[in-house]
Amino acid sequence: EPEVTQTPSHQVTQMGQEVILRCVPISNHLYFYWYRQILGQKVEFLVSFYNNEISEKSEIFDDQFSVERPDGSNFTLKIRSTKLEDSAMYFCASRIYEAFFGQGTRLTVV
Amino acid sequence: EDQVTQSPEALRLQEGESSSLNCSYTVSGLRGLFWYRQDPGKGPEFLFTLYSAGEEKEKERLKATLTKKESFLHITAPKPEDSATYLCAVLSSNTGKLIFGQGTTLQVKP
Repeated sequence: EPEVTQTPSHQVTQMGQEVILRCVPISNHLYFYWYRQILGQKVEFLVSFYNNEISEKSEIFDDQFSVERPDGSNFTLKIRSTKLEDSAMYFCASRIYEAFFGQGTRLTVV
Repeated sequence: EDQVTQSPEALRLQEGESSSLNCSYTVSGLRGLFWYRQDPGKGPEFLFTLYSAGEEKEKERLKATLTKKESFLHITAPKPEDSATYLCAVLSSNTGKLIFGQGTTLQVKP
């Protein structure tokens, strides 16, 4: 069964460093998303991506964040100059109708 | 503003004790309402999609229903393996954003 794949499963980074979180969406899906979930809190929308461009972004998704679909299969989230409060689970999702989620990347900023 | 509210936040049941979870929503054009299950440290797992008021979907011990303002997830004779956080999300036809509620954490005791 097709699934959304995220790598790495866990990333530890120093404050101020840049990280790239990677996702391989389900191949025939058209819409792509990144979400964030801080421990014990709700799943928060970050950004949606359609037709090779950002279609919606939340107020959280500021200049620190960027997304790319560099090669038609991968979908990446770049976080520049990481802060302690960026520590969270980051989920990628893709959909035609219902959205399917990856297992997440746990980002720990120290 | 699109909003999703789930209640209760936490629910403890004895095995076999049926109950319902509520999801109230306001959205600018409902394209779909989705139920997910999330286990600790994992990504949301898709359960159901509901598109219009009056629609119902069933899967094993779970049944989801939809009205114009809310959805219910009915759990019949739950088992300990049904313990998880259940998430409700709405997809706006205007923005394309998939917005989550804060979830209901269900614990089923044997």
